[in-house]
Amino acid sequence: DIQLTQSPSFLSASVGDRVTITCRASQGISSFLAWYQQKPGKAPKLLIYAASTLQTGVPSRFSGSGSGAEFTLTINSLQPEDFATYYCQQVNSYPITFGQGTRLEIK
Amino acid sequence: QVQLVQSGAEVKKPGASVKVSCKASGYSFTTYYLHWVRQAPGQGLEWMGKINPSGTRTTYAQRLEGRLTMTTDMSTSTFYMELSSLRSEDTAVYYCARGHGLAGDCPEYWGQGAPVTVSS
Repeated sequence: DIQLTQSPSFLSASVGDRVTITCRASQGISSFLAWYQQKPGKAPKLLIYAASTLQTGVPSRFSGSGSGAEFTLTINSLQPEDFATYYCQQVNSYPITFGQGTRLEIK
Repeated sequence: QVQLVQSGAEVKKPGASVKVSCKASGYSFTTYYLHWVRQAPGQGLEWMGKINPSGTRTTYAQRLEGRLTMTTDMSTSTFYMELSSLRSEDTAVYYCARGHGLAGDCPEYWGQGAPVTVSS
């Protein structure tokens, strides 16, 4: 199974900040990576797929980059509604796997 | 609009089985695979498997194979996930999620989740 390791696991930031979350895969996965946002008690929400393609309706302050085994999710100018947990997901091979999550909290 | 409406919360004893339903509406049922993902309390996301709308093709996470069965009912546009030989570690919220139009293995639309508690 492909393991995904996110860093950091916990991030404290302020409204207006720019933050970056990294996701490293245990082997190369080309660009078969997605990012999700999850708020407490809610289902995950797809933000980015194919490593860098913004899902319809997602604000442009979210961006993704990377290929191979290292990927990043960047959020520019954090808004109050962005404080949540973020997961990366690989869809290169089965079983599909997720990173352990990065919890983004308000400083 | 796309909707996935799941069945309600369940409480089961160890060794029992649970069957969760997911009724789809608002899109062409026959076009998209359906994924099941679960989340234990305070934990991350675990992909369980996927099924095509006709129910003829499934891909299961190997660690659940033998206990997991996914089925569909095309007449009612409903997907089902059944997990048997339940153990306490299966306590989780179970989500169904429709595959993305362009990136099929990236769940795009999600159900509201069905909490399953396994306890003696």
